[in-house]
Amino acid sequence: EDQVTQSPEALRLQEGESSSLNCSYTVSGLRGLFWYRQDPGKGPEFLFTLYSAGEEKEKERLKATLTKKESFLHITAPKPEDSATYLCAVRPLDTGRRALTFGSGTRLQVQP
Amino acid sequence: NAGVTQTPKFQVLKTGQSMTLQCAQDMNHNSMYWYRQDPGMGLRLIYYSASEGTTDKGEVPNGYNVSRLNKREFSLRLESAAPSQTSVYFCASNGHTDTYEQYFGPGTRLTVT
Repeated sequence: EDQVTQSPEALRLQEGESSSLNCSYTVSGLRGLFWYRQDPGKGPEFLFTLYSAGEEKEKERLKATLTKKESFLHITAPKPEDSATYLCAVRPLDTGRRALTFGSGTRLQVQP
Repeated sequence: NAGVTQTPKFQVLKTGQSMTLQCAQDMNHNSMYWYRQDPGMGLRLIYYSASEGTTDKGEVPNGYNVSRLNKREFSLRLESAAPSQTSVYFCASNGHTDTYEQYFGPGTRLTVT
């Protein structure tokens, strides 16, 4: 059974204080690992897709990395507007299952 | 481009009532999905449709039915609502590309009393 575990559940940072969010996964063959941002009362917003170990993707203050067992979302010099819940999801190689398996998310609060 | 739209945004039902949640996408995507999101449990798949005319059960299908009306629209029906179906419901879609990322609607907040 595919599993995704995110840690920490919640993280409070001061503006400018860099940190990392963790996503550990168990899947029988990985087709892709996805990061989403979700603001309160809104739907998840797509950020990145990673396909293979060693791959990295960047967008503004965010950088996502992937190993064979986990992914990290690094946040460099965060700003208050980066406050949100960050979701990780995996899609297995099994082409009969097109849906994603999600973790429960990390709630990030960045204080000015 | 509106992306994925959902109606209604909020709904309160009494136990035993029925309702249909509507979803539409204007991105010409083949695959569409219904998820529910509960505190501490992440997003869980209810049903999905890989293409027009096909639907399949996901992780938590009991108590729900779906209809893929056409390529754009995918509806979720609760025939007899129960308090356990109180949740936030999200519709998503993705196209037949190698990227597989899904795009989500704004959600429907449903309370069953």
